[in-house]
Amino acid sequence: AQSVTQLDSHVSVSEGTPVLLRCNYSSSYSPSLFWYVQHPNKGLQLLLKYTSAATLVKGINGFEAEFKKSETSFHLTKPSAHMSDAAEYFCVVTSDSWGKLQFGAGTQVVVTP
Amino acid sequence: GAVVSQHPSWVICKSGTSVKIECRSLDFQATTMFWYRQFPKQSLMLMATSNEGSKATYEQGVEKDKFLINHASLTLSTLTVTSAHPEDSSFYICSAQVSGTGYEQYFGPGTRLTVT
Repeated sequence: AQSVTQLDSHVSVSEGTPVLLRCNYSSSYSPSLFWYVQHPNKGLQLLLKYTSAATLVKGINGFEAEFKKSETSFHLTKPSAHMSDAAEYFCVVTSDSWGKLQFGAGTQVVVTP
Repeated sequence: GAVVSQHPSWVICKSGTSVKIECRSLDFQATTMFWYRQFPKQSLMLMATSNEGSKATYEQGVEKDKFLINHASLTLSTLTVTSAHPEDSSFYICSAQVSGTGYEQYFGPGTRLTVT
């Protein structure tokens, strides 16, 4: 069975400082992994995805994530946080070969001035 | 591109009535659509998967007679909450997937249902 664990339910950073959101997964096959962001009262937006190509994935808005198979991790980073980055972030893994997704519990990011 | 809309965005209904939520892929054809439920401050839980022209596949614990899903075309799926009760109040989100895109799903903005 596939599962995903977001290690932090809440992250607070100062504007201009790095952001690190941690995600570990378990999978019985080579999964596809995603990071989605959800702003209040908005739909989910795809930040980036890993689908067995390059292990370092660059996404939108300056975010990137590195797939580390040996550590079963897919941590999301951004070198400099903006106020607009305040949102809920979800790490997501494909849970079967048909493309069903399993969501992590989410990490709430707060950015302070 | 890859825009998914939902209608309505917000609905209030009385207990015992039924509510229909529409999910449309506006600029692409979706081979598969998914319906999720999200409680406040919680993650998304998959309710069902629907393929155009086929019966929906429901996740364990989801009542198929209560949450009726119809996927009549490659651009439209509907979720009908029948005989709604206050515990059905939630945020319902649909997504659409195109085969061959690496399982990426495009999400709608969600529908907030409040049952009084």
